[in-house]
Amino acid sequence: AQKVTQAQTEISVVEKEDVTLDCVYETRDTTYYLFWYKQPPSGELVFLIRRNSFDEQNEISGRYSWNFQKSTSSFNFTITASQVVDSAVYFCALKGGGSNYKLTFGKGTLLTVNP
Amino acid sequence: DVKVTQSSRYLVKRTGEKVFLECVQDMDHENMFWYRQDPGLGLRLIYFSYDVKMKEKGDIPEGYSVSREKKERFSLILESASTNQTSMYLCASSPPGSGVLYGYTFGSGTRLTVV
Repeated sequence: AQKVTQAQTEISVVEKEDVTLDCVYETRDTTYYLFWYKQPPSGELVFLIRRNSFDEQNEISGRYSWNFQKSTSSFNFTITASQVVDSAVYFCALKGGGSNYKLTFGKGTLLTVNP
Repeated sequence: DVKVTQSSRYLVKRTGEKVFLECVQDMDHENMFWYRQDPGLGLRLIYFSYDVKMKEKGDIPEGYSVSREKKERFSLILESASTNQTSMYLCASSPPGSGVLYGYTFGSGTRLTVV
């Protein structure tokens, strides 16, 4: 069985603060894929990033960065110098390496960035 | 711009009614999915379809059925709506095979209230 845990239900920060969203996963697959999605108030989930289990290189995209550590089964997401537009629900998701197309989502973290 | 369109943004139905939620995608994707999103529970997969007339149960199929007569359209059916089906329903699509690794494309959701 696959599982994704986002322990932080809600986080509130002040603009320009850095914030890290935690994601811990469980899977028996040796090959798997991890995702982050953003859900702004409009409701539509937006794909942010995918990482493969065989590629532990961290990634940076502008103010966003992701830290993937297989040793701790974690795939954390950091926003640097947060902005009000970053306010959203963020979901971490996992897909196993088989032919199953299903993504298993965490429960999400509501991030509120206050001006 | 590629899109997944859900026919209704908000819907109010009475207990016992038969409810149809419609989803259309214009990306020629083989895979389509229905999730429901509830506070504290994240996204849970109801059904998915990997081809026309093909469907598989997700994690919470009870009380729901689906129909996929055409590639671009995937309908979720509540045979007899109940108050515990009040939720946000999200439709998504993805390309087949390894295309799913590029992430799902989500619709904006239908917020269904059953009274």
